[in-house]
Formats: sequence, structure tokens, C-alpha cells
Amino acid sequence: GAVVSQHPSWVICKSGTSVKIECRSLDFQATTMFWYRQFPKQSLMLMATSNEGSKATYEQGVEKDKFLINHASLTLSTLTVTSAHPEDSSFYICSAGTRQGGQPQHFGDGTRLSIL
Amino acid sequence: KQEVTQIPAALSVPEGENLVLNCSFTDSAIYNLQWFRQDPGKGLTSLLLIQSSQREQTSGRLNASLDKSSGRSTLYIAASQPGDSATYLCAVRPIGGNTPLVFGKGTRLSVIA
Repeated sequence: GAVVSQHPSWVICKSGTSVKIECRSLDFQATTMFWYRQFPKQSLMLMATSNEGSKATYEQGVEKDKFLINHASLTLSTLTVTSAHPEDSSFYICSAGTRQGGQPQHFGDGTRLSIL
Repeated sequence: KQEVTQIPAALSVPEGENLVLNCSFTDSAIYNLQWFRQDPGKGLTSLLLIQSSQREQTSGRLNASLDKSSGRSTLYIAASQPGDSATYLCAVRPIGGNTPLVFGKGTRLSVIA
């Protein structure tokens, strides 16, 4: 069964709306979760690293004020796309892992965000 | 900075053929390498995970090899089926704590019945 649950799976909303995406680790405590974005026919690009109890680390070119990340517990990280615009339409996917580097990372099923 | 390259970008084969997908990476300092499958509009399905100390992993009709020193991995699919049609992504996990995966751009595979 899934070890990482991501919701919602699909969101369609109007421009200017803020959208929150949840990522939960079901079977383990994830001190770190990763948020990726994937544009059509492109690969996954890391947006930010979400650390439990501290501020997220954003990749170059990702606006931290637009993509708010909260990791308040060891099992939940949220990504909020604030004042979303059509260019934010994309596939967003989270992953979670442990500090043991040899262990696999587990991915959520992703969220398809469409901004009209 | 770690970079992952996958060749070919797209591949179309008739059903029943054996095929090889290639993946290369620039920095051999990795914990492991994973192959994923992604269907259109869907999330990732992990196929095989090869630790840095391993040479290959097998699951059913899939076999993945890893040559860390040369920065290469291959995914071998035997007796391909139309249901194998998907995008296959290669990703490495760089050494350095709880690091994110670095993905290639993927190979879009079409298996024609």
C-alpha cells in the first residue's frame, strides 16, 4: 500500500486563488519531505526541501512567498500555491524519506493543478 | 552538480521485443539509483532500486544494472508488452544526508501491438 498520501489529486480553480496541497507519510516519520514540480513532457524538478520544525529550503528560482511550505509534524507537509496564475498550472508531487541515504524515497501520487 | 541524462528520449518498438533504456550520471557519489515508471498524468511507480554497492537488480521482466564508476545504468525490459508503454525515469540519490533525488528527463516508451 501507499506509504505517502498526497491530496488533492486534481484541482481546477480560478486565477488568484490559493491552493493547499497536503503530503502525509503513512508508515514512518519523515523529518524531510521534498516537493517537485513537473511540466508537461518534462522531468521532475525539485522546488524545495521541507524540514520538520524549521523553514523550508527553496531551490534557485522558486519564490518562497508564492510557494509556502509548512512541515509542522513528522507526518505532514503542506504546499500552498498563493494567488495562483495560469503559469502555475503543473503537476506537483511530494516525496518523503528517512535520513538513511540507502533507503528508497516514497512518492505521493501527485496533484494536477489547473489554473483558469 | 549532479546531472542525469537518459537516452533515447523516446522509443517505439513492436510487441515482444527486448529493449534497453540508458541512463548516465555525472557524479558517482551516490547512495543509490532508482528506475521509475510514470503513466500519463499519473504519479511515479518505483520499479527497481540499486544500491551503490550493487551491480544489478531484477524484478520479473525488468533488469537494471549499475556501473557506478562509469556513471551508467541500463534498464532492460524483456518481451515488451503494450502495457509497458509509459515514461521511464532514472533518478540518483546523491550522497550527503537526506538528499533529494535527481531525475533524468525520461524515456517515453511505446510498445506497439
